[in-house]
Amino acid sequence: EPEVTQTPSHQVTQMGQEVILRCVPISNHLYFYWYRQILGQKVEFLVSFYNNEISEKSEIFDDQFSVERPDGSNFTLKIRSTKLEDSAMYFCASTRDSKRRGYTFGSGTRLTVV
Amino acid sequence: DQQVKQNSPSLSVQEGRISILNCDYTNSMFDYFLWYKKYPAEGPTFLISISSIKDKNEDGRFTVFLNKSAKHLSLHIVPSQPGDSAVYFCAATETSGSRLTFGEGTQLTVNP
Repeated sequence: EPEVTQTPSHQVTQMGQEVILRCVPISNHLYFYWYRQILGQKVEFLVSFYNNEISEKSEIFDDQFSVERPDGSNFTLKIRSTKLEDSAMYFCASTRDSKRRGYTFGSGTRLTVV
Repeated sequence: DQQVKQNSPSLSVQEGRISILNCDYTNSMFDYFLWYKKYPAEGPTFLISISSIKDKNEDGRFTVFLNKSAKHLSLHIVPSQPGDSAVYFCAATETSGSRLTFGEGTQLTVNP
């Protein structure tokens, strides 16, 4: 069964450093998403991406965050200057149509900011 | 953000019995509801969904019921199996967008 692949599975970074989280969505999917889950809290929407541009973003997704689909297969989330509160599990997801089918989520990247 | 709420953090049932997981929502703009299952160290896995124009959707052992007037939905699993032990998330999406708003999750434990 096709999978959404995320790398790395765990990333430790120093506060203030830039970090890039990588995702390879399912190949025929058109809509791409990033979500995060801070330990003990809900899964929260960050951003959606379609047709090479952001289609929706949450209040969390401020100027420190950016997304890119650089080569038609990878989908990346960049955090420019990490803060302690960015420590969370980050999930990438993709879907073929916009919402009427469940997304396929990756296994996540655990980001720890120290 | 309390738009989607799962009031029971945990539920324990015996194998073969019915599991009922509940979810409430407050946003009247939600028109599509989904249930996800999550095992440790994995991402959420889509289980079943329901549109707001329906009140029931069934897929094998899983049935989702939607009561729009009460803004309440439930997931029934029957018969429950030990492999169903996981965290179950309720999620909802609005007509105008595709973002999912999740509940807190309910840890289901099915005892052999």
